[in-house]
Amino acid sequence: SQQGEEDPQALSIQEGENATMNCSYKTSINNLQWYRQNSGRGLVHLILIRSNEREKHSGRLRVTLDTSKKSSSLLITASRAADTASYFCATDASGYSTLTFGKGTMLLVSP
Amino acid sequence: EADIYQTPRYLVIGTGKKITLECSQTMGHDKMYWYQQDPGMELHLIHYSYGVNSTEKGDLSSESTVSRIRTEHFPLTLESARPSHTSQYLCASSESRPGGSYNQPQHFGDGTRLSIL
Repeated sequence: SQQGEEDPQALSIQEGENATMNCSYKTSINNLQWYRQNSGRGLVHLILIRSNEREKHSGRLRVTLDTSKKSSSLLITASRAADTASYFCATDASGYSTLTFGKGTMLLVSP
Repeated sequence: EADIYQTPRYLVIGTGKKITLECSQTMGHDKMYWYQQDPGMELHLIHYSYGVNSTEKGDLSSESTVSRIRTEHFPLTLESARPSHTSQYLCASSESRPGGSYNQPQHFGDGTRLSIL
């Protein structure tokens, strides 16, 4: 499977700390996307990074992509309790007609 | 917030019943998807559609069926529900870019949590 794999599976931090999640994948990609899912809700798209980009920012989010290592990281700076959610990476792989989602990282931010 | 709606949000029903989960979007998106997700677990794609009259099976084999008669509507049907169908079902949609070779971000509904007794 060319599915993305997130690491760690779960992360627990205090408010104000930074949270870093990683995603690894197996095949060449067109782009890689990160999503957030709050408990009992659907996924919300956060950011898309294309294969020719190395870094992208959106507010407190910073995404990096290393195509040589087939990996991406999502950094959330100055975490808040409201950031508590599961975070999924999704790969748009060449030749595939749909996105493939990873297993997700559960982030718990304590006040 | 994305304009994609799923009904019902929760459904508890007995074995053997026929069930239809509704999904509608008002964004005019061509592509639509159904995922199955157990709590805290990964998403599994069970069906998708490129547009009207198009339906494709996803990666996870499912006894459900789908139809796409209108752009905005993508219902999922289980002819005879069983306890193994208990799960959360998420519907999503995305734009398709003309001549594009890559997948646009998906917009998700809040899901239907299905329990079969």
